[in-house]
Amino acid sequence: DTAVSQTPKYLVTQMGNDKSIKCEQNLGHDTMYWYKQDSKKFLKIMFSYNNKELIINETVPNRFSPKSPDKAHLNLHINSLELGDSAVYFCASSRQGVYEQYFGPGTRLTVT
Amino acid sequence: AQTVTQSQPEMSVQEAETVTLSCTYDTSESDYYLFWYKQPPSRQMILVIRQEAYKQQNATENRFSVNFQKAAKSFSLKISDSQLGDAAMYFCAYREIQGAQKLVFGQGTRLTINP
Repeated sequence: DTAVSQTPKYLVTQMGNDKSIKCEQNLGHDTMYWYKQDSKKFLKIMFSYNNKELIINETVPNRFSPKSPDKAHLNLHINSLELGDSAVYFCASSRQGVYEQYFGPGTRLTVT
Repeated sequence: AQTVTQSQPEMSVQEAETVTLSCTYDTSESDYYLFWYKQPPSRQMILVIRQEAYKQQNATENRFSVNFQKAAKSFSLKISDSQLGDAAMYFCAYREIQGAQKLVFGQGTRLTINP
């Protein structure tokens, strides 16, 4: 039973394309996150949703648009992909008030 | 804004020996959580240990323990009896208790275990 799953795990695409990454959690958590890990392994929060409401948007270009259709899903859509978008994107989830965040396996996005 | 600093980009240790990874952070909050995450080559993020700032006692989890110095804003990780499976990137992270509860990560330390 996968707690936090992401699809796809690998994504190779060309500049200018639009792509989506999907995330699902089966833990019953009410908060979900997207983090970006760059080529130097630095991890940084991008977005967070609590009960389908956006609560964190960390100066991310508006080419990135998260969407949460329900509490168990948080998708990330990226328009007009650029070389600098190449990174590993992690989805995570937690229950409000509980310390631990559970991470998905990550999606390695490569823009050529 | 909170910041987390790991000043050791790389560390290595002989198998079965002890190694300590350093972490400092900056915050104006009095209550918060601190974590160490492990990221092996599989890239999965694995929680190693956590510390609540209001607890004076240092957290321990089997071979992993922390040295939490709240006044100095220091949070180091000690790995005892190092094993080959401990080889990974280790990230120190801070999380506020209230508010959005995002994780703020340090730059990471790559730990190599020498057989």
